[in-house]
Amino acid sequence: EAGVTQFPSHSVIEKGQTVTLRCDPISGHDNLYWYRRVMGKEIKFLLHFVKESKQDESGMPNNRFLAERTGGTYSTLKVQPAELEDSGVYFCASSRLENYGYTFGSGTRLTVV
Amino acid sequence: GDSVTQMEGPVTLSEEAFLTINCTYTATGYPSLFWYVQYPGEGLQLLLKATKADDKGSNKGFEATYRKETTSFHLEKGSVQVSDSAVYFCALSERDTGRRALTFGSGTRLQVQP
Repeated sequence: EAGVTQFPSHSVIEKGQTVTLRCDPISGHDNLYWYRRVMGKEIKFLLHFVKESKQDESGMPNNRFLAERTGGTYSTLKVQPAELEDSGVYFCASSRLENYGYTFGSGTRLTVV
Repeated sequence: GDSVTQMEGPVTLSEEAFLTINCTYTATGYPSLFWYVQYPGEGLQLLLKATKADDKGSNKGFEATYRKETTSFHLEKGSVQVSDSAVYFCALSERDTGRRALTFGSGTRLQVQP
């Protein structure tokens, strides 16, 4: 089966601009997660979708971040407006509903200058 | 809240050397423990896991034992290869709450020289 796909793989934007990251989970995986790793620190949880519903968004840092998962398929994570501290690698992962095992994507490296 | 602490890198070893990457955790409940690996240019991959005390996870020659008394889950390999060069992340998830989010450590970069 195809893996979790994220794009773009890299994005460089200026402070104040908007960026949208996309994640395509493995087909049939109802759970979808977003994580990010900032400045080589620990990977931190952002949020968890079950199908199209936000199950847990306790890790979202502030209201500049908006995640959606229309139709329970792919998901987007929009940062608007971007700040310097948003630079990092954003990972997406998916799993089947009954399974705690994740499959991660390769990540999107976001650089805000 | 939950946290995971792992040794800082980079760890540089010669091929066939013994590897230990330390990991300790703090959790309110009884977590499951994981090691993930990220090879250059790739996503995170589950390396091994353990779900209860004294369980030993193993894969590709790597091992880690769930030590509840010392709240540790150290990663070991008896003889590393150049192909093991990667970043290794220790992580936990809480089972009691049903919350599926993973709590990660900061990662340890391993460089194996021929």
